[in-house]
Amino acid sequence: AQSVTQLDSQVPVFEEAPVELRCNYSSSVSVYLFWYVQYPNQGLQLLLKYLSGSTLVKGINGFEAEFNKSQTSFHLRKPSVHISDTAEYFCAVTNTGNQFYFGTGTSLTVIP
Amino acid sequence: ETGVTQTPRHLVMGMTNKKSLKCEQHLGHNAMYWYKQSAKKPLELMFVYSLEERVENNSVPSRFSPECPNSSHLFLHLHTLQPEDSALYLCASSLLNSPLHFGNGTRLTVT
Repeated sequence: AQSVTQLDSQVPVFEEAPVELRCNYSSSVSVYLFWYVQYPNQGLQLLLKYLSGSTLVKGINGFEAEFNKSQTSFHLRKPSVHISDTAEYFCAVTNTGNQFYFGTGTSLTVIP
Repeated sequence: ETGVTQTPRHLVMGMTNKKSLKCEQHLGHNAMYWYKQSAKKPLELMFVYSLEERVENNSVPSRFSPECPNSSHLFLHLHTLQPEDSALYLCASSLLNSPLHFGNGTRLTVT
């Protein structure tokens, strides 16, 4: 079985500061990794994905994430956050193609 | 427009009611999912329909019943629900080994 751990439930950060949201997963096989964002009263929207190839992946809205196989991590980063980045962020993993496992989410609050 | 449309957006129902949630996608995907989102918990996969086969989470109570008449439509039939079933119910679709595309969800309140 797989699992996803998001170590920080809430992350406050000042506007224009950098941010890192942490994600660790457990799996004994190769995986595909994703980050999703959820704004209030909406569903989840894909930010970025790692399927294979380069371990540094870039997504929408200036976000990027790095896959680290030895540390089983897939941390999300942004060098300078905006007020509009305030949202809930979810890390997810799959290796079977249609069984996705999600973390509990990290609430990012950007402070003006 | 997310490509995955869920109706209704909000639903309030009593414990003796019967209602259905609807999901529709026109992205050409071949798998559809129901997830339950409760506060401070991981998204809980309830059901998956993939290539016309159903995979279900055995912990989902029988008061939730899915129906997938074709690859574009998915329903979740609800009956005799409990207050703890109040949550955001998310529908998603995908191609195999591709990311999920989510709808905006149905906020369900059971009174």
